[in-house]
Amino acid sequence: AQTVTQSQPEMSVQEAETVTLSCTYDTSESNYYLFWYKQPPSRQMILVIRQEAYKQQNATENRFSVNFQKAAKSFSLKISDSQLGDTAMYFCAFVSGYSTLTFGKGTMLLVSP
Amino acid sequence: DTAVSQTPKYLVTQMGNDKSIKCEQNLGHDTMYWYKQDSKKFLKIMFSYNNKELIINETVPNRFSPKSPDKAHLNLHINSLELGDSAVYFCASSQIGEPNSYNEQFFGPGTRLTVL
Repeated sequence: AQTVTQSQPEMSVQEAETVTLSCTYDTSESNYYLFWYKQPPSRQMILVIRQEAYKQQNATENRFSVNFQKAAKSFSLKISDSQLGDTAMYFCAFVSGYSTLTFGKGTMLLVSP
Repeated sequence: DTAVSQTPKYLVTQMGNDKSIKCEQNLGHDTMYWYKQDSKKFLKIMFSYNNKELIINETVPNRFSPKSPDKAHLNLHINSLELGDSAVYFCASSQIGEPNSYNEQFFGPGTRLTVL
């Protein structure tokens, strides 16, 4: 069974700074997908970024980028130039084949002025 | 146009009642899901349907019964509601196995269920 671990329950950062959220996972699959979802207070689940395991290049979406280390089974999210609107719960998630998403427990990110 | 919609968004009810939450997706996806998010924000899969057939049924009390009348709809019916059923329930959909789809799941806005 797959497991996803987010070891930081809460993190704080000031506006315009950079923050990194960590995520590790465990699987015996060779091909899979990894995601970071954002859940703001509105509770909507919003996809932030995604990564295919067979792609070595780290995914980037504007201010969001990942550091994907397949051998270490690590998938961290870096948010550059943090904005107040980035305040949210962030979930790391894993899926392979026909399985459903396995989520980590989440990291609450607070961006302060 | 909303991709995945759920109704109602809020549901407050008494213990012992029976209630339903509806979900519809207009993305043409073949797979739909129900997730439960508890008070600690932990998200856990409950059910998954592929082309109207149940493919995943996690350890969920049989008071919970999903129904998929067609590929675009997956409703969740809950009998004899208990206090512990209070949570946010998310519906999601995806297209399994399509190249470059990433098996990405699109979520509905969630339904906050409060059992008194």
